[in-house]
Amino acid sequence: GAVVSQHPSWVICKSGTSVKIECRSLDFQATTMFWYRQFPKQSLMLMATSNEGSKATYEQGVEKDKFLINHASLTLSTLTVTSAHPEDSSFYICSARRAGDTQYFGPGTRLTVL
Amino acid sequence: GNSVTQMEGPVTLSEEAFLTINCTYTATGYPSLFWYVQYPGEGLQLLLKATKADDKGSNKGFEATYRKETTSFHLEKGSVQVSDSAVYFCALSDRSTGNQFYFGTGTSLTVIP
Repeated sequence: GAVVSQHPSWVICKSGTSVKIECRSLDFQATTMFWYRQFPKQSLMLMATSNEGSKATYEQGVEKDKFLINHASLTLSTLTVTSAHPEDSSFYICSARRAGDTQYFGPGTRLTVL
Repeated sequence: GNSVTQMEGPVTLSEEAFLTINCTYTATGYPSLFWYVQYPGEGLQLLLKATKADDKGSNKGFEATYRKETTSFHLEKGSVQVSDSAVYFCALSDRSTGNQFYFGTGTSLTVIP
């Protein structure tokens, strides 16, 4: 149990377009979901924390208008990278947590902006 | 603040060799410590954890001991297998910062037959 999926697993887009990444908890209800970003050979950096039905809490330095997060249900959170640029190219990982439990991580989404 | 420093890779070992991946941390409170493993194309999986000083986490032949005096949580395995090839992440979660996770940079391990 406690499986988290992400879709798509990789995406290539043109500069200026928007990209949506989905994170789903497949077999449990996640009260909280997290979005991380990972640069090559670097740590996972927390971008934002979202609780179902409320606005996401963004970490310092993360532009909330650039990275739109929607946690509409207990099993789905989406991250939309708006007007993507090459510097947004990265590996995005989500995790989901149910009450009183640890975080379970998705497989990640590789975004390449041309 | 909180941070995790782990040994840079990549690490290449022969099958049945002894593995050590070093991990040290800094924390403002009393963190829990974790090792996660990421196999190619898959998500991060919890390998083992320890929640207080001197605790030893173990799983699948891997071990790590929470050493408060040296602020370390080194990962060890006595005899690696080809199937252990993956990227390993050391991480901490600190209740004083809302259980936020802090990750090391990851260490890539390749085990050759």
